Amino acid sequence: NAGVTQTPKFRVLKTGQSMTLLCAQDMNHEYMYWYRQDPGMGLRLIHYSVGEGTTAKGEVPDGYNVSRLKKQNFLLGLESAAPSQTSVYFCASLAAGVPQGTQYFGPGTRLLVL
Amino acid sequence: GDSVTQMEGPVTLSEEAFLTINCTYTATGYPSLFWYVQYPGEGLQLLLKATKADDKGSNKGFEATYRKETTSFHLEKGSVQVSDSAVYFCARLDRGATNKLIFGTGTLLAVQP
Repeated sequence: NAGVTQTPKFRVLKTGQSMTLLCAQDMNHEYMYWYRQDPGMGLRLIHYSVGEGTTAKGEVPDGYNVSRLKKQNFLLGLESAAPSQTSVYFCASLAAGVPQGTQYFGPGTRLLVL
Repeated sequence: GDSVTQMEGPVTLSEEAFLTINCTYTATGYPSLFWYVQYPGEGLQLLLKATKADDKGSNKGFEATYRKETTSFHLEKGSVQVSDSAVYFCARLDRGATNKLIFGTGTLLAVQP
Protein backbone atom coordinates (compact mmCIF):
# COMPACT_ATOMS: atom_id res chain seq x y z
CA ASN A 1 0.00 0.00 0.00
CA ALA A 2 1.92 3.01 -1.31
CA GLY A 3 -0.67 5.68 -0.40
CA VAL A 4 -0.26 8.78 -2.57
CA THR A 5 2.67 8.90 -4.97
CA GLN A 6 3.82 11.71 -7.22
CA THR A 7 6.09 11.73 -10.25
CA PRO A 8 8.47 13.26 -10.95
CA LYS A 9 10.09 14.34 -7.70
CA PHE A 10 11.95 17.21 -9.29
CA ARG A 11 11.94 18.89 -12.68
CA VAL A 12 13.53 21.88 -14.32
CA LEU A 13 11.70 23.50 -17.23
CA LYS A 14 12.40 26.38 -19.53
CA THR A 15 9.78 29.08 -19.95
CA GLY A 16 7.19 27.97 -22.49
CA GLN A 17 7.77 24.25 -22.10
CA SER A 18 4.98 21.92 -21.12
CA MET A 19 4.85 19.07 -18.68
CA THR A 20 2.47 16.80 -16.79
CA LEU A 21 2.66 15.93 -13.12
CA LEU A 22 1.20 12.59 -12.16
CA CYS A 23 -0.51 11.77 -8.90
CA ALA A 24 -1.58 8.23 -8.09
CA GLN A 25 -3.40 6.84 -5.07
CA ASP A 26 -4.13 3.23 -4.22
CA MET A 27 -6.70 3.84 -1.46
CA ASN A 28 -9.76 4.00 -3.74
CA HIS A 29 -10.38 7.60 -2.65
CA GLU A 30 -13.02 9.65 -4.45
CA TYR A 31 -11.59 13.10 -3.89
CA MET A 32 -8.23 14.29 -5.18
CA TYR A 33 -6.57 17.69 -4.96
CA TRP A 34 -3.62 19.58 -6.37
CA TYR A 35 -1.96 22.27 -4.23
CA ARG A 36 1.02 24.48 -4.70
CA GLN A 37 3.22 25.55 -1.80
CA ASP A 38 5.07 28.83 -1.89
CA PRO A 39 7.07 30.56 0.85
CA GLY A 40 4.89 32.69 3.12
CA MET A 41 1.70 31.61 1.38
CA GLY A 42 1.01 28.16 2.72
CA LEU A 43 -0.77 25.73 0.43
CA ARG A 44 -3.17 27.00 -2.19
CA LEU A 45 -5.61 24.80 -4.04
CA ILE A 46 -5.14 24.67 -7.81
CA HIS A 47 -7.75 22.17 -8.96
CA TYR A 48 -9.64 19.33 -7.43
CA SER A 49 -11.79 16.36 -8.37
CA VAL A 50 -14.73 14.82 -6.56
CA GLY A 51 -14.75 11.69 -8.67
CA GLU A 52 -13.58 10.00 -11.84
CA GLY A 53 -14.26 12.15 -14.87
CA THR A 54 -14.92 15.34 -12.88
CA THR A 55 -12.68 18.30 -12.15
CA ALA A 56 -13.16 21.77 -10.73
CA LYS A 57 -11.15 24.94 -10.24
CA GLY A 58 -9.63 25.85 -6.96
CA GLU A 59 -8.15 29.08 -5.71
CA VAL A 60 -5.31 29.48 -8.26
CA PRO A 61 -6.23 27.55 -11.44
CA ASP A 62 -4.79 29.87 -14.12
CA GLY A 63 -2.07 28.30 -16.23
CA TYR A 64 -2.94 24.74 -15.19
CA ASN A 65 -5.21 22.02 -16.50
CA VAL A 66 -6.15 18.72 -14.92
CA SER A 67 -7.66 15.41 -15.87
CA ARG A 68 -9.12 12.51 -13.88
CA LEU A 69 -9.67 9.80 -16.45
CA LYS A 70 -9.08 7.03 -13.93
CA LYS A 71 -10.15 7.10 -10.32
CA GLN A 72 -6.67 6.43 -9.03
CA ASN A 73 -4.87 9.08 -11.11
CA PHE A 74 -5.04 12.86 -11.14
CA LEU A 75 -2.88 14.65 -13.69
CA LEU A 76 -1.78 18.27 -13.50
CA GLY A 77 -0.65 19.87 -16.74
CA LEU A 78 1.28 23.01 -17.49
CA GLU A 79 0.83 23.89 -21.15
CA SER A 80 3.30 26.76 -21.25
CA ALA A 81 5.38 27.02 -18.09
CA ALA A 82 6.18 30.42 -16.58
CA PRO A 83 8.71 31.35 -13.87
CA SER A 84 5.75 32.19 -11.59
CA GLN A 85 4.91 28.48 -11.59
CA THR A 86 8.14 27.64 -9.82
CA SER A 87 6.84 25.97 -6.70
CA VAL A 88 6.42 22.72 -4.83
CA TYR A 89 3.30 20.84 -5.91
CA PHE A 90 1.43 18.51 -3.63
CA CYS A 91 -1.31 16.08 -4.45
CA ALA A 92 -3.77 14.84 -1.84
CA SER A 93 -6.65 12.41 -1.71
CA LEU A 94 -9.62 11.82 0.55
CA ALA A 95 -12.22 9.09 0.96
CA ALA A 96 -15.82 10.01 0.25
CA GLY A 97 -18.47 9.45 2.87
CA VAL A 98 -16.06 10.18 5.70
CA PRO A 99 -17.21 13.41 7.32
CA GLN A 100 -14.38 15.80 8.06
CA GLY A 101 -12.00 13.15 6.81
CA THR A 102 -8.26 13.42 6.62
CA GLN A 103 -6.53 14.30 3.39
CA TYR A 104 -3.55 12.12 2.54
CA PHE A 105 -0.68 13.95 0.88
CA GLY A 106 1.98 12.81 -1.54
CA PRO A 107 5.66 13.67 -1.06
CA GLY A 108 5.59 16.60 -3.48
CA THR A 109 7.10 17.60 -6.83
CA ARG A 110 9.60 20.42 -6.87
CA LEU A 111 9.37 22.40 -10.11
CA LEU A 112 11.80 25.07 -11.24
CA VAL A 113 10.92 27.14 -14.30
CA LEU A 114 13.80 29.12 -15.75
CA GLY B 1 -13.73 35.39 2.69
CA ASP B 2 -13.08 32.59 5.10
CA SER B 3 -9.46 32.34 6.13
CA VAL B 4 -6.93 30.91 8.55
CA THR B 5 -4.29 33.04 10.23
CA GLN B 6 -1.35 31.59 12.11
CA MET B 7 1.63 33.14 13.77
CA GLU B 8 4.63 33.81 11.62
CA GLY B 9 7.81 31.98 12.24
CA PRO B 10 10.36 30.86 12.57
CA VAL B 11 9.90 29.77 16.14
CA THR B 12 13.16 28.69 17.73
CA LEU B 13 13.07 26.79 21.01
CA SER B 14 15.42 24.78 23.14
CA GLU B 15 14.66 21.12 23.75
CA GLU B 16 12.06 20.55 26.51
CA ALA B 17 10.64 24.07 26.15
CA PHE B 18 6.91 24.75 25.97
CA LEU B 19 5.46 25.35 22.54
CA THR B 20 2.49 27.45 21.46
CA ILE B 21 1.65 28.20 17.85
CA ASN B 22 -1.35 30.46 17.49
CA CYS B 23 -4.07 29.89 14.93
CA THR B 24 -7.32 31.79 14.39
CA TYR B 25 -9.94 31.37 11.73
CA THR B 26 -12.86 33.18 10.18
CA ALA B 27 -15.89 31.21 9.13
CA THR B 28 -19.62 30.99 9.05
CA GLY B 29 -20.59 28.29 11.48
CA TYR B 30 -18.20 25.86 13.10
CA PRO B 31 -15.93 24.17 10.58
CA SER B 32 -13.66 21.27 11.41
CA LEU B 33 -10.13 22.37 12.25
CA PHE B 34 -6.83 20.64 11.66
CA TRP B 35 -3.12 20.85 12.33
CA TYR B 36 -0.88 19.33 9.70
CA VAL B 37 2.89 18.86 10.03
CA GLN B 38 5.50 18.83 7.28
CA TYR B 39 8.87 17.32 8.15
CA PRO B 40 11.86 18.36 6.03
CA GLY B 41 11.64 17.00 2.49
CA GLU B 42 8.28 15.34 3.03
CA GLY B 43 4.62 15.95 2.31
CA LEU B 44 2.07 17.05 4.87
CA GLN B 45 0.58 14.66 7.36
CA LEU B 46 -2.28 15.13 9.75
CA LEU B 47 -1.17 15.83 13.31
CA LEU B 48 -4.54 16.33 14.99
CA LYS B 49 -8.03 17.58 14.39
CA ALA B 50 -11.21 18.75 16.11
CA THR B 51 -14.61 18.53 14.51
CA LYS B 52 -16.75 20.61 16.84
CA ALA B 53 -16.52 23.41 19.34
CA ASP B 54 -14.79 22.62 22.64
CA ASP B 55 -13.27 19.45 21.23
CA LYS B 56 -9.61 18.84 21.99
CA GLY B 57 -7.43 17.12 19.44
CA SER B 58 -4.25 15.43 20.61
CA ASN B 59 -1.43 13.36 19.16
CA LYS B 60 2.27 12.77 19.91
CA GLY B 61 2.11 15.09 22.92
CA PHE B 62 0.58 17.94 20.90
CA GLU B 63 -2.82 19.36 21.81
CA ALA B 64 -5.21 21.94 20.40
CA THR B 65 -8.63 22.99 21.67
CA TYR B 66 -11.40 24.27 19.40
CA ARG B 67 -12.50 27.52 21.02
CA LYS B 68 -15.49 29.08 19.28
CA GLU B 69 -15.54 32.15 21.54
CA THR B 70 -12.14 33.25 20.30
CA THR B 71 -12.30 31.40 16.94
CA SER B 72 -8.96 29.85 17.76
CA PHE B 73 -7.22 26.50 17.57
CA HIS B 74 -3.80 27.06 19.12
CA LEU B 75 -1.27 24.22 19.02
CA GLU B 76 0.59 23.39 22.23
CA LYS B 77 3.17 20.92 23.46
CA GLY B 78 4.57 20.82 26.93
CA SER B 79 8.10 19.67 26.08
CA VAL B 80 9.41 19.82 22.52
CA GLN B 81 12.10 17.58 21.08
CA VAL B 82 14.58 18.12 18.29
CA SER B 83 12.54 15.67 16.22
CA ASP B 84 9.56 18.09 16.36
CA SER B 85 11.41 20.50 14.08
CA ALA B 86 9.09 20.94 11.11
CA VAL B 87 6.60 23.30 9.49
CA TYR B 88 3.17 23.31 11.11
CA PHE B 89 0.04 24.26 9.19
CA CYS B 90 -3.30 25.14 10.66
CA ALA B 91 -6.28 24.44 8.39
CA ARG B 92 -10.05 24.54 8.35
CA LEU B 93 -12.55 22.63 6.29
CA ASP B 94 -14.21 24.70 3.62
CA ARG B 95 -17.96 24.89 3.27
CA GLY B 96 -19.77 22.63 0.85
CA ALA B 97 -19.45 19.00 -0.05
CA THR B 98 -15.98 19.08 -1.61
CA ASN B 99 -13.98 18.68 1.62
CA LYS B 100 -11.52 21.35 0.54
CA LEU B 101 -9.04 22.58 3.11
CA ILE B 102 -8.08 26.21 3.67
CA PHE B 103 -4.54 26.45 5.03
CA GLY B 104 -2.68 29.03 7.02
CA THR B 105 0.74 30.13 5.86
CA GLY B 106 2.63 27.68 8.02
CA THR B 107 4.97 28.15 10.98
CA LEU B 108 8.50 26.82 10.96
CA LEU B 109 9.57 25.35 14.28
CA ALA B 110 13.26 24.79 14.95
CA VAL B 111 14.16 22.97 18.16
CA GLN B 112 17.76 23.14 19.28
CA PRO B 113 19.43 20.56 21.53
